[in-house]
Amino acid sequence: SQQGEEDPQALSIQEGENATMNCSYKTSINNLQWYRQNSGRGLVHLILIRSNEREKHSGRLRVTLDTSKKSSSLLITASRAADTASYFCATEQQGAQKLVFGQGTRLTINP
Amino acid sequence: SAVISQKPSRDICQRGTSLTIQCQVDSQVTMMFWYRQQPGQSLTLIATANQGSEATYESGFVIDKFPISRPNLTFSTLTVSNMSPEDSSIYLCSVGTGGVDQPQHFGDGTRLSIL
Repeated sequence: SQQGEEDPQALSIQEGENATMNCSYKTSINNLQWYRQNSGRGLVHLILIRSNEREKHSGRLRVTLDTSKKSSSLLITASRAADTASYFCATEQQGAQKLVFGQGTRLTINP
Repeated sequence: SAVISQKPSRDICQRGTSLTIQCQVDSQVTMMFWYRQQPGQSLTLIATANQGSEATYESGFVIDKFPISRPNLTFSTLTVSNMSPEDSSIYLCSVGTGGVDQPQHFGDGTRLSIL
């Protein structure tokens, strides 16, 4: 399968704690993107990191990318109940604009 | 970002029938894609919808099962043909500008159940 791997598959933490999700992929990429999906609905784009970038921030989100290890991480700081969702990484392959998605992490924030 | 409307939002169908899903965008876009998300799984790309020409299908997906139309730069349809319970999934369309390092944006999806 071309799909990347994410870990953990599921994560449950208390509100206010930080959540870290990891993503690994297999091929050379143009960029890596993180998406959120609430209860089987459409995906919401969170952040895009280019292959020549190592770290990117957006509000409470911090993304890192290590192309030598073909891996990325998403950190959500000061989590809120509204952050409860599934999170997917997706890689845009070199030479193509299509996305290959990871398996996803199901995040639950407990009040 | 573009506003994407997908219809229907959900449906329950009998096996052997076909259903056409519509994806409408409020602005012209270069790229349109169709994905399938099986229960509890991640997204898998079905095909890239090409304006004015046949769609480009990914390995494991064929035109006879998933015919796609894209008559213009704002609209596409995906038909799921001769459905079986294994086709029960969420089907999502997404759009891209075609520019370098630009995100795709997704519709809310169509939740399809086959009895």
